[in-house]
Amino acid sequence: AQKVTQAQTEISVVEKEDVTLDCVYETRDTTYYLFWYKQPPSGELVFLIRRNSFDEQNEISGRYSWNFQKSTSSFNFTITASQVVDSAVYFCALRGWNEKLVFGKGTKLTVNP
Amino acid sequence: DVKVTQSSRYLVKRTGEKVFLECVQDMDHENMFWYRQDPGLGLRLIYFSYDVKMKEKGDIPEGYSVSREKKERFSLILESASTNQTSMYLCASSRGAEQEQYFGPGTRLTVT
Repeated sequence: AQKVTQAQTEISVVEKEDVTLDCVYETRDTTYYLFWYKQPPSGELVFLIRRNSFDEQNEISGRYSWNFQKSTSSFNFTITASQVVDSAVYFCALRGWNEKLVFGKGTKLTVNP
Repeated sequence: DVKVTQSSRYLVKRTGEKVFLECVQDMDHENMFWYRQDPGLGLRLIYFSYDVKMKEKGDIPEGYSVSREKKERFSLILESASTNQTSMYLCASSRGAEQEQYFGPGTRLTVT
């Protein structure tokens, strides 16, 4: 069975702080895919990143970075120098080989000015 | 850019009505999905389709049906709406099953 755990339900930070959103996953598959999505208050889920299980390189995109560690089954997401526009619910998701996409429950991030 | 559109942002229906939620994607994606999102329950898959006229049940198909007559369009049907189907409905599409899904803006359905 597949499972995604986002232990942090809500996080509140002040603008310009760095913040890390945790994601821990479970799967028996050796080939799998991990994703992060952002859901701003408008409601639409926005795709941020996709990683396959054979690529453990960390990824950086502007102020966003992702740390994939198979040893701890984690795929954490860091926002550097957070901004008010980063306020949203962030979802981590997992798709095993020939499986459906499974989402975590999400972490609500509030960035205060 | 991938564009997924949904027919309505907000919809109010009465119990027992037949409800159609339409979803259209413009990127020639093979796969399309319907989810519902509820507080505390997260996103749950209702139905999905890997090809035209093909459909597969997701985790919570009861009370719903779907139709995919054309590749770009995937419809969700509530045969007889009930109050427990009040929710946010999200449509998504993807090129391949393992590829990222792109979501529409969602339809907030209220059944009274």
